[in-house]
Amino acid sequence: GQQVMQIPQYQHVQEGEDFTTYCNSSTTLSNIQWYKQRPGGHPVFLIQLVKSGEVKKQKRLTFQFGEAKKNSSLHITATQTTDVGTYFCAGSPYNFNKFYFGSGTKLNVKP
Amino acid sequence: GAVVSQHPSRVICKSGTSVKIECRSLDFQATTMFWYRQFPKQSLMLMATSNEGSKATYEQGVEKDKFLINHASLTLSTLTVTSAHPEDSSFYICSATTRNNEQFFGPGTRLTVL
Repeated sequence: GQQVMQIPQYQHVQEGEDFTTYCNSSTTLSNIQWYKQRPGGHPVFLIQLVKSGEVKKQKRLTFQFGEAKKNSSLHITATQTTDVGTYFCAGSPYNFNKFYFGSGTKLNVKP
Repeated sequence: GAVVSQHPSRVICKSGTSVKIECRSLDFQATTMFWYRQFPKQSLMLMATSNEGSKATYEQGVEKDKFLINHASLTLSTLTVTSAHPEDSSFYICSATTRNNEQFFGPGTRLTVL
């Protein structure tokens, strides 16, 4: 079946350090989305990537979609305590109007 | 931004009873709504895809007779957990999708089956 793998499972960083989470799909994706979920909250949409090799930036966040459209990454520069939460990728396979979530990366930022 | 409501937020029921969860897109019409299940400290597991006016599409391993989905309008989808058992206890969360494919999630429903 469809699988979206995400690593690492956990990441503890000191405030100011960078952070990266990676997603890999077993199949080529039509597009990929990224979400952030705070403890006790629901996932909040961050961004959608559609094109092969696409790179998008949101302030300190940089999102990349691989050339083969099977992997993606989220990089946070100079983390802040407000970045704490679990980051999920969600991939949509071609010809399927649905999304499969990665296992998530829980980020903890020490002040 | 787009708002999705989900009701109830918490429900405790006895084993064998049925529970209905509503998901509404408040300020937009959703082409598609999704139902997910999330276990503690785990990812979201897609249960089914719900399209207005048609039967829901269930993921492999999800019993359609146990998790009844009705998509009555472009702003409302309901999930009914029938004859609930303790193993059905979980966090159920819906999302509504815009034309741009952005998913907006409801706040979720915590179901506890005694």
